Amino acid sequence: AQSVTQPDIHITVSEGASLELRCNYSYGATPYLFWYVQSPGQGLQLLLKYFSGDTLVQGIKGFEAEFKRSQSSFNLRKPSVHWSDAAEYFCAVGARYGNNRKLIWGLGTSLAVNP
Amino acid sequence: EAQVTQNPRYLITVTGKKLTVTCSQNMNHEYMSWYRQDPGLGLRQIYYSMNVEVTDKGDVPEGYKVSRKEKRNFPLILESPSPNQTSLYFCASSTTGNEQFFGPGTRLTVL
Repeated sequence: AQSVTQPDIHITVSEGASLELRCNYSYGATPYLFWYVQSPGQGLQLLLKYFSGDTLVQGIKGFEAEFKRSQSSFNLRKPSVHWSDAAEYFCAVGARYGNNRKLIWGLGTSLAVNP
Repeated sequence: EAQVTQNPRYLITVTGKKLTVTCSQNMNHEYMSWYRQDPGLGLRQIYYSMNVEVTDKGDVPEGYKVSRKEKRNFPLILESPSPNQTSLYFCASSTTGNEQFFGPGTRLTVL
């Protein structure tokens, strides 16, 4: 069955430190992969996406992610975290079930940033 | 500005009192979907719509109805809400269903 795993429920980093959030997926076909961010009381904002091509994709707010097919991973990275990055981060796979193209979600990683 | 809007943002109601959460998008997207978000369960799809008058069930459709009479609107209807429908609800839209754009969410409490 298709699934997305985010192994880290909660991560705390210091402001200015680098960040890597892990995402592993299980999907039979070539996946469409996404990272979304949810700030407290806010909706879900798309950070970046991978459909095909270059396996290193750049997103908004200085984030990037690397697709590694051999490891079934799509880890999110940022070289220097800002306090405003504190939020919940969700990895998702775009899956097709008949006519339905839905997103299969990980359970999220909560990021806290220490000053 | 391209956006998905939902109303209301917050709603407290009582068991059995019919309610509707509206969703509207101004991006001319064909695909729209409703999700609910619950702690420990993540986001789960309730219903989706590929186009006007075309709707289908997602993973957790029980207790919900939807309609798609116009391309821009996709209301979620709870005919007889129950406490287990207390949740955070998101509407999303997309051109193809892959890259989805989300509304701000509606926090519903059913007493």
